[in-house]
Amino acid sequence: GAVVSQHPSRVICKSGTSVKIECRSLDFQATTMFWYRQFPKQSLMLMATSNEGSKATYEQGVEKDKFLINHASLTLSTLTVTSAHPEDSSFYICSARAGINEKLFFGSGTQLSVL
Amino acid sequence: DAKTTQPTSMDCAEGRAANLPCNHSTISGNEYVYWYRQIHSQGPQYIIHGLKNNETNEMASLIITEDRKSSTLILPHATLRDTAVYYCIVSPMEYGNKLVFGAGTILRVKS
Repeated sequence: GAVVSQHPSRVICKSGTSVKIECRSLDFQATTMFWYRQFPKQSLMLMATSNEGSKATYEQGVEKDKFLINHASLTLSTLTVTSAHPEDSSFYICSARAGINEKLFFGSGTQLSVL
Repeated sequence: DAKTTQPTSMDCAEGRAANLPCNHSTISGNEYVYWYRQIHSQGPQYIIHGLKNNETNEMASLIITEDRKSSTLILPHATLRDTAVYYCIVSPMEYGNKLVFGAGTILRVKS
């Protein structure tokens, strides 16, 4: 199946710093990618829809200035957590679709720990 | 997106079939039923999806009732590695559509 690569798999940062997470579709082009967040023992929560060449669409309650999403090419979307705080510590997961009527494939996730 | 209802957890003996139910009574005519699973600390893995006909692949079978208000995911011979959270999601299969995850079912396969 299609491969979605996410990097880094784990990151620890100090409070107040910014962290960038990359999501790449390795063997297909993805016009749309999705970013999710998951807290321990909870389900995945959709944060935003990332569209290549345009602004991301954020879900209600997700701060767009806090979570910057850039989808500069058909194979790369990035999520930047700006001025991270301990409450931003979470498991962040991206996903992408290979094309019209194709299923969604997920990255392996990034565990962010903010000290 | 239509909501789904799944049992919180289930146990299954290794080697036996695991039958995971899902209720989606408000599903619309253009919405598909998707199943994903998530093993601890990993991204979700696609299992199977269907619209109204039963589907089977190398991983599982999906049985959808005639009225489409419920479905069952069947893992024919569960192994310990099938222990995971299983998510049933309904969503229209169109380009760019998002998947909204519910709480899922924790399946524990025991030896």
